[in-house]
Amino acid sequence: KQEVTQIPAALSVPEGENLVLNCSFTDSAIYNLQWFRQDPGKGLTSLLLIQSSQREQTSGRLNASLDKSSGRSTLYIAASQPGDSATYLCAVRVDAGGTSYGKLTFGQGTILTVHP
Amino acid sequence: EAQVTQNPRYLITVTGKKLTVTCSQNMNHEYMSWYRQDPGLGLRQIYYSMNVEVTDKGDVPEGYKVSRKEKRNFPLILESPSPNQTSLYFCASSPLAGGLSYEQYFGPGTRLTVT
Repeated sequence: KQEVTQIPAALSVPEGENLVLNCSFTDSAIYNLQWFRQDPGKGLTSLLLIQSSQREQTSGRLNASLDKSSGRSTLYIAASQPGDSATYLCAVRVDAGGTSYGKLTFGQGTILTVHP
Repeated sequence: EAQVTQNPRYLITVTGKKLTVTCSQNMNHEYMSWYRQDPGLGLRQIYYSMNVEVTDKGDVPEGYKVSRKEKRNFPLILESPSPNQTSLYFCASSPLAGGLSYEQYFGPGTRLTVT
């Protein structure tokens, strides 16, 4: 069974810092990995989607990398801002053929606080 | 506006009283899924559907039913709700083709309390 772990569980940084969030998964047979942001009391917003054949994806100040063989992904946030404060979740989709692609496993998330 | 909608957003009910949470998407996505989010347990998948009339169990399907009679709708049914189904529920959808295949779009959530 796929297990997804995110480290650290919480992170507090001053505005302007560059930071890295980590996501690890136990089964390297994945279809893709997706990073989300969740604001308190709200739904999830997709940040970046990395297909299993890709090494990284970038969107603005965000860069996500994927190392399938080692079961790791990182989300890099450059020049952090107070508006980046949220919970960041990674989710892994298995690759076992057929309708298994429909199964998605989430990490517990990293609570990020960026203070002015 | 492209979106996933859920209704109701908040619901308080009593044990055993059947309820349905609706989910609808206007993006013509093939894939839809339900999740529950609980403190300390994170998000867990309940059921998913790859297309009309095709549904599969996620990690925590017990106590739930789903149906996919139309592409845009994927209701979650609790035949006999129990207090341990008190949770925040999310519906999501995604396309199954192209470079954005399986990029999920989430609804706003339904907070369910079963007393």
